[in-house]
This record gives sequence, structure tokens and C-alpha cells, in this order.
Amino acid sequence: GAGVSQSPSNKVTEKGKDVELRCDPISGHTALYWYRQSLGQGLEFLIYFQGNSAPDKSGLPSDRFSAERTGGSVSTLTIQRTQQEDSAVYLCASSSPGPGNTIYFGEGSWLTVV
Amino acid sequence: AQSVAQPEDQVNVAEGNPLTVKCTYSVSGNPYLFWYVQYPNRGLQFLLKYITGDNLVKGSYGFEAEFNKSQTSFHLKKPSALVSDSALYFCAVRENTGFQKLVFGTGTRLLVSP
Repeated sequence: GAGVSQSPSNKVTEKGKDVELRCDPISGHTALYWYRQSLGQGLEFLIYFQGNSAPDKSGLPSDRFSAERTGGSVSTLTIQRTQQEDSAVYLCASSSPGPGNTIYFGEGSWLTVV
Repeated sequence: AQSVAQPEDQVNVAEGNPLTVKCTYSVSGNPYLFWYVQYPNRGLQFLLKYITGDNLVKGSYGFEAEFNKSQTSFHLKKPSALVSDSALYFCAVRENTGFQKLVFGTGTRLLVSP
């Protein structure tokens, strides 16, 4: 597709369950980012992938969060043993390498933990 | 570390009037500055960016931004506001070294009244 695609768009899960969020970046974009936006909060960086380099995981809030990127394209963000404070919008973004290139965002996955 | 400040939580303006949403930044080296807009229940949409060159940058939906190096500012402007411009606006700086992630401001809610 033309843009960054995320699924599911909405997810309601019970506390303690695991969830997987998927991101399909723009074709040809080697850089992929995950951000989190909690209700009424700003944008929190989670993790960054660039090509085959080791990812920057410095923003992951706890060891319950992990992400992988297979084949340099699709990425999956996994949250284990979800907690209510994990409720947020999870935004994926992609770009070509280089700081002058625009980072494009998907529509987000809206996660509600009940 | 690079950072962005948006000093106003909310900006109110009447339709037809000019609008300004403020942003100041702190970077080492050349700044790569971006503005994004977020409509309710949507992801982030790219508006415009400053990389180099002219200090006045034009973007989508009639928005423009003025880069001021001496004041380290990158204010978003529009000559005539529309009610449909009401949204959440984020200023961001992209790191020019390392992982080149976007560092966001806290966002400014723009409310345009009829």
C-alpha cells in the first residue's frame, strides 16, 4: 500500500493477556519506529529499527515489551501480561534513512486493557 | 540531547484570523525540524519540514513555518484559520546522529471558533 499500515486498528484485551500489534511500513523504507501515545499524553518513543542494524530499544518501558522486524519489512510489537497502564495508541512509522527524510506514521493501534 | 518545547497547551483563534503555534528547539549541529497534525482518533499527518535553505517553509493545507536560527524557533503559521484546522499539533526535531528518531514536543491543541 501507499502508506504505513497497522493492525489491528482497535484491540480490547483482558489484563494479563498478551497482545501483538503489527506494522507494515512503506515499501522501500528501511527505518521503522514504534511510538506510544497515552490518553492526554505526548508521544513516547519505544523502539527503532534500521536495516540489519541492532535496534534501539532504549524506549521500551519494561521487559514485558518486545518487538521484532522480520525480513527488514513487517514489524510486530508484543506486550506480555498486559496491564491497564498499557492502554494507549501504538503508532508505527517508517522512513528512508537520513535525518532530512520525512517519517510517515500509520493510523495507530488503539489498545484498551480491561 | 535534542529537545523541543511547545509552550502553549492550547491556542484559540477565530475563523479567518491568522494563527501561530509556537515551537522552540535545542539541538547540537544542524536542526531537522518537523510539524505534524493529529485529528481526533487519527494518526499523525506530516505537515512540513525544515532541512536547509529558505527560512520560510510551506506545507500542506496552507500552513507554513518560519525557521529562526537566532531564536531557535520554528513557529507554525497560517494566514487565515479554518474551523477544520482544529486539531492537535506536534513540533518535532529529528536527531542528526545515531538512530535519528523524532523527538516530539508535548503538543498544542488548536481550537478555531466559527
